[in-house]
Amino acid sequence: DTGVSQDPRHKITKRGQNVTFRCDPISEHNRLYWYRQTLGQGPEFLTYFQNEAQLEKSRLLSDRFSAERPKGSFSTLEIQRTEQGDSAMYLCASSLTRDRTFLNEQFFGPGTRLTVL
Amino acid sequence: RKEVEQDPGPFNVPEGATVAFNCTYSNSASQSFFWYRQDCRKEPKLLMSVYSSGNEDGRFTAQLNRASQYISLLIRDSKLSDSATYLCVVTVNQAGTALIFGKGTTLSVSS
Repeated sequence: DTGVSQDPRHKITKRGQNVTFRCDPISEHNRLYWYRQTLGQGPEFLTYFQNEAQLEKSRLLSDRFSAERPKGSFSTLEIQRTEQGDSAMYLCASSLTRDRTFLNEQFFGPGTRLTVL
Repeated sequence: RKEVEQDPGPFNVPEGATVAFNCTYSNSASQSFFWYRQDCRKEPKLLMSVYSSGNEDGRFTAQLNRASQYISLLIRDSKLSDSATYLCVVTVNQAGTALIFGKGTTLSVSS
């Protein structure tokens, strides 16, 4: 399977614990995005990387959230001191973008479903 | 006001019906427009881009009216397999990074 992969697929944690999710984009895709989706809502943008540089962060990304893409390949999203409101599906997407004025399709992974008890 | 608003749905239609989804966006600087499809408990997948001149892909037709900030999706001859949530999506900046999604409209096609 050469699509976007995410790990784990499901995570149940207690309030106050830290969690980390991993995303492996499609090989050679230079952009990687994180979104969050709650029940009945569309995905909401969190942040994106161009290669290893984090270029944009949503105001939704509080100080408890941190994302990295150290070698420009896979990415991790860490949530510290989880709260019940963090319960959601965390989606990763990637795209191959060369022309700044042309939006290349974003391909989504299956997501990590987080439940905070 | 939400940046992207869609018909609340759900839409329940019989096979063979024609169904139309509407979407409005609030930011007049929006640059690119899309319809994504999301099956239950699956990830969103691009259905089609939407161009000012309107575009068609088989049974699916998308229209964009920039003056009214309105996007539509028409599905003709609905199939059972069309049952899904349809998400209206826009981007704001020219680099087209963050996708801004509507809440989605759920379609259920029955036999």
